[in-house]
Amino acid sequence: GAVVSQHPSWVICKSGTSVKIECRSLDFQATTMFWYRQFPKQSLMLMATSNEGSKATYEQGVEKDKFLINHASLTLSTLTVTSAHPEDSSFYICSALHQGSYNEKLFFGSGTQLSVL
Amino acid sequence: SQQGEEDPQALSIQEGENATMNCSYKTSINNLQWYRQNSGRGLVHLILIRSNEREKHSGRLRVTLDTSKKSSSLLITASRAADTASYFCATERVRGGKLIFGQGTELSVKP
Repeated sequence: GAVVSQHPSWVICKSGTSVKIECRSLDFQATTMFWYRQFPKQSLMLMATSNEGSKATYEQGVEKDKFLINHASLTLSTLTVTSAHPEDSSFYICSALHQGSYNEKLFFGSGTQLSVL
Repeated sequence: SQQGEEDPQALSIQEGENATMNCSYKTSINNLQWYRQNSGRGLVHLILIRSNEREKHSGRLRVTLDTSKKSSSLLITASRAADTASYFCATERVRGGKLIFGQGTELSVKP
């Protein structure tokens, strides 16, 4: 079945540095991907919709200059957390939309645990 | 913004018992989906129910949808210790993959 690979699975960084997270659709092309953030014991909050070849659409309250999204190819979207701070420590998870001839299906990556020291 | 609310927030039962989780949402939807998440890990898709469906079964899972009340329930029958996880409902308002998740229910099944 279709697989979405997310890398890295965990990352520790110093405050003030930038961290890039990759989301790849391994065996299908995804013009649309989504990025979510999840704090401990909480639900997944949609951050943005990543559109191949165009700008991402950010949800209300998400800083687009802080969370840079690039969807440069049909199989790769990246989320860069710029100038990370401890409050950005969270679980980040992506999903990719597979649009078939008759239906569409969503596949999730396995997530990235970010810890900012 | 969060679409759904789930209750209970936490549920603890004995193995073999049934577990029922409820989800409410605020707007019209195309479909509602249920996901499972083991601690600190990715999501597992359990079941999808479309807005024109009222009930759906998959193995030990039974999902109902009441669009007039904007609510859904997930029933896990004959629970097992391995069912211990967090369960989330998620609504897709229109086709296109954008999901809004509920708050989740943390299920603990004791052997």
